[in-house]
Amino acid sequence: GAGVSQSPSNKVTEKGKDVELRCDPISGHTALYWYRQSLGQGLEFLIYFQGNSAPDKSGLPSDRFSAERTGGSVSTLTIQRTQQEDSAVYLCASSRQGGTEAFFGQGTRLTVV
Amino acid sequence: KQEVTQIPAALSVPEGENLVLNCSFTDSAIYNLQWFRQDPGKGLTSLLLIQSSQREQTSGRLNASLDKSSGRSTLYIAASQPGDSATYLCAVDWNGQNFVFGPGTRLSVLP
Repeated sequence: GAGVSQSPSNKVTEKGKDVELRCDPISGHTALYWYRQSLGQGLEFLIYFQGNSAPDKSGLPSDRFSAERTGGSVSTLTIQRTQQEDSAVYLCASSRQGGTEAFFGQGTRLTVV
Repeated sequence: KQEVTQIPAALSVPEGENLVLNCSFTDSAIYNLQWFRQDPGKGLTSLLLIQSSQREQTSGRLNASLDKSSGRSTLYIAASQPGDSATYLCAVDWNGQNFVFGPGTRLSVLP
């Protein structure tokens, strides 16, 4: 596709449920990033994938958060046993490789009730 | 700790004015710096990327400069328009693996 695509655009879930957020990067981009933007807060780095290398998971806030990237393309961010503080906009970005211009998707707005 | 700050937090100007947004960062050993805009409820749109070896980049009415030694970047917007109203974010990459974002400057251009 022409840009980074994220789905769903909005997700409302009950506290304690698991959720999966999807990111389709720009074709040919080997680097993929997940960020979180909480209401009134800045962007917080979560995880970085580069090709087939081991991901940089240093930004994941707890072990309830995990992410995978299949075939070096599509990525899924999974949040288990969601909590109200997980409510935020989750943004995905991709770049040709690490250290080059990053392009962001429109985000998934997650609301935990 | 590697941090990014932006001044001012908010700015309101009449249409047609030239304006400057400021970004400061700790630790001058950066990989690159990227400016984005974010419209309410939307994702981020890339404006300009400045590599560590560059001093400035230009795109249309936008010009971004980089002074690593002083830990600063500025985004200059010429002849501002109401459509420029958005939040402008500065992001610094120190390791070629992820960006650290500033808190943003919320710009309002009044018609």
